[in-house]
Amino acid sequence: QSVLTQPPSVSAAPGQKVTISCSGSGSNIGDNYVSWYRHLPGTAPKLLIYDNNKRPSTIPDRFSGSKSGTSATLGITGLQTGDEADYYCGTWDSSLSAGVFGGGTKLTVL
Amino acid sequence: QVRLVESGGGVVQPGMSLRLSCAASGFTFSTYPMHWVRHAPGKGLEWVAVISTDGSNKYYADSVKGQFSISRDNSKNTLFLQMSSLRPGDTAVYYCTRGYSLSWSVAKFDYWGQGTLVTVSS
Repeated sequence: QSVLTQPPSVSAAPGQKVTISCSGSGSNIGDNYVSWYRHLPGTAPKLLIYDNNKRPSTIPDRFSGSKSGTSATLGITGLQTGDEADYYCGTWDSSLSAGVFGGGTKLTVL
Repeated sequence: QVRLVESGGGVVQPGMSLRLSCAASGFTFSTYPMHWVRHAPGKGLEWVAVISTDGSNKYYADSVKGQFSISRDNSKNTLFLQMSSLRPGDTAVYYCTRGYSLSWSVAKFDYWGQGTLVTVSS
């Protein structure tokens, strides 16, 4: 069981928009910044969003992040087949003094 | 450019030990906290440990506390993970990743290595 809760899977058609939720508690999401990562097993994870809603310069603006209270959301617009991957939210947990990830969400672009 | 290269993985029997290394280049290693994250087959990413810039602060996931030890050699730009009493459940790809320069307690991982596979099996 992961400390952060994500839906196991989401799907949408090419060109459409999808959102992925990440639910936590006051000691993690409620108290710290959230990051989002894209991962294809066997390759290095990639940072998509940091500080809740900031994008590294190499990440297109099709990717967005938001946070409200103890929940965070990743949005992806203009879906492409190349976006198919596993997506993870992550943050620090102040009570555990540990990094924590969500269980991951598999995105399928139909 | 920033580069992180892990090494030291392999196949080991339960109860044995293994030491992973991560060679860093392309940035001032001594000014960044460093983390280890693992990915077990069929499971999600799991944060393993963090070490502060000078090595004075170290924190671990409950699942590896007392079993794994993180360390660093800033003179050699290298991060380590000493793993002991290995169990089949420790089988995973282990990634080293660069943390947030201003705080070891911020889980922002901007650069990752390609990972090294550790397989614990009899």
